[in-house]
Amino acid sequence: QVQLVQSGAEVKKPGASVKVSCKASRNSLITHYYFHWVRQAPGQGLDWMGVIYPNTNSTTYAQKFQGRVTMTSDTSATTLYLEVRSLRSEDTALYYCARGGVGTTYHHIDNWGQGTLVTVSS
Amino acid sequence: DIVMTQSPDSLTVSLGERATINCKSSQSVFYSSNNNNYLAWYQQKPGQPPKLLIYWASTRESGVPDRFSGSGSGTDFTLTISSLQAEDVAVYYCQQYYNTPLTFGGGTKVEIK
Repeated sequence: QVQLVQSGAEVKKPGASVKVSCKASRNSLITHYYFHWVRQAPGQGLDWMGVIYPNTNSTTYAQKFQGRVTMTSDTSATTLYLEVRSLRSEDTALYYCARGGVGTTYHHIDNWGQGTLVTVSS
Repeated sequence: DIVMTQSPDSLTVSLGERATINCKSSQSVFYSSNNNNYLAWYQQKPGQPPKLLIYWASTRESGVPDRFSGSGSGTDFTLTISSLQAEDVAVYYCQQYYNTPLTFGGGTKVEIK
């Protein structure tokens, strides 16, 4: 079972950017899988942000995040990154990285990171 | 976007009794070429990330107790906990992965009576 370990909590001002990292355990082959980012506002449900395939660095973003979010990967470091720009208070949430399927976006998510809390406050 | 609607929003059940959660998708998530429903169920306990329970609508994830079962096809799905245990107190989410954006239901909170 791959472990996904995310970076620590962040506090940002409105308009700033944040970059969250997600490191997969050393012996995992992240290039084989699709990895998703899902966020959860306090007391709310799960909101899919997008997906990245580290093998090709191809990405698909939810339309609501297009232009404000970038997902990248560093396969040599088995690490994934999520950058969110132009932060607003509504972006305050737990951000999860999560492993999806082998070679396909259209697969259930079977492994989740512990989550990174991003707080946006002036 | 495929809208996932769960019911009820919350459920209070006695220990040992059955809990049933419904999930309806705004369009079919059944892919006829491989005969699969692209539907998963997750359990989320307070302070924890979601945990996969069921995928392909009815396949139980390894290690998940057999009191959890999933059923349904097309647009209507059900998660059943056959005999509720104290450790099952959680919020349960359905999710479709038939199309992007992947979408989740609003969640059903299960509590003990």
